[in-house]
Amino acid sequence: AQSVTQLGSHVSVSEGALVLLRCNYSSSVPPYLFWYVQYPNQGLQLLLKYTTGATLVKGINGFEAEFKKSETSFHLTKPSAHMSDAAEYFCAVGPDKLIFGTGTRLQVFP
Amino acid sequence: DTAVSQTPKYLVTQMGNDKSIKCEQNLGHDTMYWYKQDSKKFLKIMFSYNNKELIINETVPNRFSPKSPDKAHLNLHINSLELGDSAVYFCASSPFVGLEQFFGPGTRLTVL
Repeated sequence: AQSVTQLGSHVSVSEGALVLLRCNYSSSVPPYLFWYVQYPNQGLQLLLKYTTGATLVKGINGFEAEFKKSETSFHLTKPSAHMSDAAEYFCAVGPDKLIFGTGTRLQVFP
Repeated sequence: DTAVSQTPKYLVTQMGNDKSIKCEQNLGHDTMYWYKQDSKKFLKIMFSYNNKELIINETVPNRFSPKSPDKAHLNLHINSLELGDSAVYFCASSPFVGLEQFFGPGTRLTVL
């Protein structure tokens, strides 16, 4: 069985500040991990993924995430937030079917 | 070119009606999915087809029936619509099971 927990349903940062969105997973098999972003009234867009290999993965728009097996975590970071990063972010675990977390809404203040 | 497209984008209908949502992908993927996103943004898989064969069928009322006429299309038919069916329905596709999924823009269904 697999599950995902996203800590913090809302995160607020100032423009230029570090973004940290937390994701912890549970999986009885080696996990595939994904971060998706959803802008208002749009579908989900893949930010980055981890399947095997390098544990630090880089994605689009300057985001990156690190797979830490010992901590069962896959937190999403971005060094400097931009106003355009304001959106809903979803962590998901695979591989058989994607189980999504409940999402974290990121607000960016000027 | 839109990779995963859905029609219609908005659907407003009365309780008890039957409606369909269509999905098409032009990515050449083998696997397609239907998800339901509720008002709290919770996203849950409903069905998955791999090369026209149903492989995931979650606990969904049998009023919902998916149909995949070919690898590029996955439609969702809903009978006897209820208020609780109001949600955004997303179609997605992936090269095959387990890989990253590409989502359509969603269909917002409102049942009155």
